[in-house]
Amino acid sequence: SQQGEEDPQALSIQEGENATMNCSYKTSINNLQWYRQNSGRGLVHLILIRSNEREKHSGRLRVTLDTSKKSSSLLITASRAADTASYFCATAPNAGNNRKLIWGLGTSLAVNP
Amino acid sequence: NAGVTQTPKFRVLKTGQSMTLLCAQDMNHEYMYWYRQDPGMGLRLIHYSVGEGTTAKGEVPDGYNVSRLKKQNFLLGLESAAPSQTSVYFCASSDTGTTVEAFFGQGTRLTVV
Repeated sequence: SQQGEEDPQALSIQEGENATMNCSYKTSINNLQWYRQNSGRGLVHLILIRSNEREKHSGRLRVTLDTSKKSSSLLITASRAADTASYFCATAPNAGNNRKLIWGLGTSLAVNP
Repeated sequence: NAGVTQTPKFRVLKTGQSMTLLCAQDMNHEYMYWYRQDPGMGLRLIHYSVGEGTTAKGEVPDGYNVSRLKKQNFLLGLESAAPSQTSVYFCASSDTGTTVEAFFGQGTRLTVV
């Protein structure tokens, strides 16, 4: 079953604009991870944020985590055409089974030149 | 450093045929996963392994079998392919399960006719 839900399902912006994607989840987590998937390719890990962290940065990426609202956001600043991809969040359950990530359905981002 | 390698990349099967997908990782990871990705359904876990000689069922294991005889390899078998198994299959590995990032292969696009 899918725990993560990304919002929006699809996003189209112009190059140079910022893109924000959101992920909501239902149960207590150890961490939340964001991945990118270019068309026809495998997923690539972007950022992992742990439950005791509120914000992480990596280059033009900024991830926030609000455990009280069970939600996370991924911000891509100054977007480029090369950022066109699908973005997935995945949550690692906190208790019991820590062997399986739970995946959302993804946000499809189109960055227009 | 090759990371996670899947073979083959493409395959067309007739209904009822069998085949094996091979996943190899060179990072000495303990955990390995097989997912399938279908339009609008995100990633669904088929089977996974937490170490050499171990396997466990995921969300959608029916019609598939797996083996992990060597730590670096995780095989996914389809004994009698069905059109419903037409999908893109991804293998992934991680060092210590869900507490760290996962690394994905490039995918195998399988069509069952």
